[in-house]
Amino acid sequence: GENVEQHPSTLSVQEGDSAVIKCTYSDSASNYFPWYKQELGKRPQLIIDIRSNVGEKKDQRIAVTLNKTAKHFSLHITETQPEDSAVYFCAAIRTSGSRLTFGEGTQLTVNP
Amino acid sequence: GAGVSQSPRYKVAKRGQDVALRCDPISGHVSLFWYQQALGQGPEFLTYFQNEAQLDKSGLPSDRFFAERPEGSVSTLKIQRTQQEDSAVYLCASSLSLADLQETQYFGPGTRLLVL
Repeated sequence: GENVEQHPSTLSVQEGDSAVIKCTYSDSASNYFPWYKQELGKRPQLIIDIRSNVGEKKDQRIAVTLNKTAKHFSLHITETQPEDSAVYFCAAIRTSGSRLTFGEGTQLTVNP
Repeated sequence: GAGVSQSPRYKVAKRGQDVALRCDPISGHVSLFWYQQALGQGPEFLTYFQNEAQLDKSGLPSDRFFAERPEGSVSTLKIQRTQQEDSAVYLCASSLSLADLQETQYFGPGTRLLVL
């Protein structure tokens, strides 16, 4: 089955700096890669996603890049703000599969 | 519109007790998923429904876990004879599409289960 690895497990940045979180996946058939933000005690919320026919996608301060050959994808947050502090999860899914396979999460802390 | 809702939000059970967790998906969403999230970890897949049909239950950890969605809307995850290792947050998610399994999954707030 699919295996998703996520790094780093914790990331601390100063307000205004950029943050980058990286994930690798094992199943070459995976072709949809969402990123979720989860605040303490809250539900995971989708912040951005990318499909395998696209190499990069941007939404304001958030961007995701995908390298299908290397089987890795990354989340980039620019101009970080304290409210960006949360746990971020990457995930992968196959076209023919039903389940999302999640990474283990990155605790992002943005210091004011 | 209303998002995915789950009840109860918190449940404390004595070891050996049976529990039932409810999920109300977004209206009209065909697909429904259950995940288990242990403390400090990512959600792990338990089971998947397409309307009332349970198409994948390969993630259920034991035969003590049972899920149903009899009318293709509300779903219930039941855990019999709870054990301490069952303590976790149980997340429900739903998605719209029947044909495209890549559709975004929207999560509920979860039920935090603590087994003493």
